Amino acid sequence: GAVVSQHPSRVICKSGTSVKIECRSLDFQATTMFWYRQFPKQSLMLMATSNEGSKATYEQGVEKDKFLINHASLTLSTLTVTSAHPEDSSFYICSARDRVLGSGANVLTFGAGSRLTVL
Amino acid sequence: DAKTTQPTSMDCAEGRAANLPCNHSTISGNEYVYWYRQIHSQGPQYIIHGLKNNETNEMASLIITEDRKSSTLILPHATLRDTAVYYCIVRAPNNAGNMLTFGGGTRLMVKP
Repeated sequence: GAVVSQHPSRVICKSGTSVKIECRSLDFQATTMFWYRQFPKQSLMLMATSNEGSKATYEQGVEKDKFLINHASLTLSTLTVTSAHPEDSSFYICSARDRVLGSGANVLTFGAGSRLTVL
Repeated sequence: DAKTTQPTSMDCAEGRAANLPCNHSTISGNEYVYWYRQIHSQGPQYIIHGLKNNETNEMASLIITEDRKSSTLILPHATLRDTAVYYCIVRAPNNAGNMLTFGGGTRLMVKP
């Protein structure tokens, strides 16, 4: 079945530094990928929609200059947390829609997530 | 998107069937019902989806009421590894962006 790979799975960084998280669709092409954020004991919150070859669409309240998204190919989207601060510490999860699996429905495959800790 | 209501938590004995309810009384005619689960510190995992008819796959069964205002996810023989948060989501197939909106879900605890 469809596989979405995220890297790194865990990252610890100092306040003020930038961190890049990669999301790859391993066996299918994804023109659209989605980035979610999850704080402890909370549900997933959609941050942005990543579109191959064009600008990402950000949800209300998500700073586009802080969370840079690049979707340069049909199998790779990256999320860069710029000038990270402790409040950015969270579980970041990407997802992509597999056209074959989903057919007419919105079946998304999720990555394993990346846990960011900002000291 | 139609809003869903799920119990916050449920317990189930290992080996027994786990029946997870979901209320979606405002569902529209073209909206599908999706179920995902999230095991601790992992990304969500797709389980099953349906529109009108009951569905079954290797993981679970989905029972949708005739009026489509509620559904039940059934794990026929729950194991300890089924302990997770289960999310019921309703969404139209061709919504802009195809993203899914997650609610609070049901935290299922399978006990030995």
